[in-house]
Amino acid sequence: AQSVTQPDIHITVSEGASLELRCNYSYGATPYLFWYVQSPGQGLQLLLKYFSGDTLVQGIKGFEAEFKRSQSSFNLRKPSVHWSDAAEYFCAVGARNTDKLIFGTGTRLQVFP
Amino acid sequence: ETGVTQTPRHLVMGMTNKKSLKCEQHLGHNAMYWYKQSAKKPLELMFVYSLEERVENNSVPSRFSPECPNSSHLFLHLHTLQPEDSALYLCASSQDRKASGANVLTFGAGSRLTVL
Repeated sequence: AQSVTQPDIHITVSEGASLELRCNYSYGATPYLFWYVQSPGQGLQLLLKYFSGDTLVQGIKGFEAEFKRSQSSFNLRKPSVHWSDAAEYFCAVGARNTDKLIFGTGTRLQVFP
Repeated sequence: ETGVTQTPRHLVMGMTNKKSLKCEQHLGHNAMYWYKQSAKKPLELMFVYSLEERVENNSVPSRFSPECPNSSHLFLHLHTLQPEDSALYLCASSQDRKASGANVLTFGAGSRLTVL
């Protein structure tokens, strides 16, 4: 069965600084990988996804993520964080032989001016 | 506007009450989902409907009863809930319910439920 770990519960960065949110997964084959963002009082919004092909994927709002098979990781990055990026970020893993989508516990991002 | 609308946004109910959560999607999707989001826990899938037919019930207590009258509407009927059922209940939809984990979900803003 697949699983996903987001090691960082809470991250604080200054506005304009770079950002990397970690996501590690466990699955025996190449998974489907997603990052979702949840702003306060809102539902989850898809930032980006990886299904196949280029391992560096671009998403909305200037985010990107890189699939690294050797490290079982799919870390989310942004070169310069904006105050509006403060939110909770969820990594999710889908398996190719079942429609189960497993979410991580989330990383809360706080941005200081 | 996410295309998935949930009402009410906030609900407070006693353990003996009966209430319902409503979800409506305006995206022409064929699959709809209920998720439970509790603090410090991963999202828990509760129910999945595909073309109005329930295809997944993840061992959810019978005090939660879903209803999907058509592909655009999804309800979660609540009765005799417990305080531990207090959580954010998220509705989501996807174009189809693929047999693989490639489903891209569009979420509503959620209904915040408090059980006293």
